[in-house]
Amino acid sequence: KAGVTQTPRYLIKTRGQQVTLSCSPISGHRSVSWYQQTPGQGLQFLFEYFSETQRNKGNFPGRFSGRQFSNSRSEMNVSTLELGDSALYLCASSLDLPSTDTQYFGPGTRLTVL
Amino acid sequence: QKEVEQNSGPLSVPEGAIASLNCTYSDRGSQSFFWYRQYSGKSPELIMFIYSNGDKEDGRFTAQLNKASQYVSLLIRDSQPSDSATYLCAAPSFYFGSGTKLNVKP
Repeated sequence: KAGVTQTPRYLIKTRGQQVTLSCSPISGHRSVSWYQQTPGQGLQFLFEYFSETQRNKGNFPGRFSGRQFSNSRSEMNVSTLELGDSALYLCASSLDLPSTDTQYFGPGTRLTVL
Repeated sequence: QKEVEQNSGPLSVPEGAIASLNCTYSDRGSQSFFWYRQYSGKSPELIMFIYSNGDKEDGRFTAQLNKASQYVSLLIRDSQPSDSATYLCAAPSFYFGSGTKLNVKP
């Protein structure tokens, strides 16, 4: 069974630009969660999607948004990039409830904002 | 705000020793906990979850949960250099600790 895939793996953007990251979950998984990982803040939860609906949301500004498609693939968008947005963005998929089901992480997208 | 706290380490242990990793959480309603291992440059992978008070063993790994003290721990017996990684504790299921870096010295 193929694992979680994320594209692109690396991105370099400049301040003020916007970026879209993509995540394809494991086949059959309906929940996709997004996390930001930085050395200083650790792994921080952005949002979780299930059946094309945002089910849970972390404490990030509205510049961070996402969506999920009918095939469970998900995208996240960051608008008006700031230097502090430089991070590893991880998505994780699970069958249904991340609180009880194992989350499987993708390899991440490394975003650098210059 | 639900919080999960871990000592960032690094925790250094000699090969063959027991490594003890600890985690505290703030939400008394949390029912299950997860331990993830993250090698440098890689994404986290689940190694254990626990939802009942007491101990849960899986090979060289033992997870311990004490809901009254809001405390979760992970013991790694017979530590190997390949266990050197950052260990992340997670409460259900979006709240992760900052991770404890473990170094196992040959």
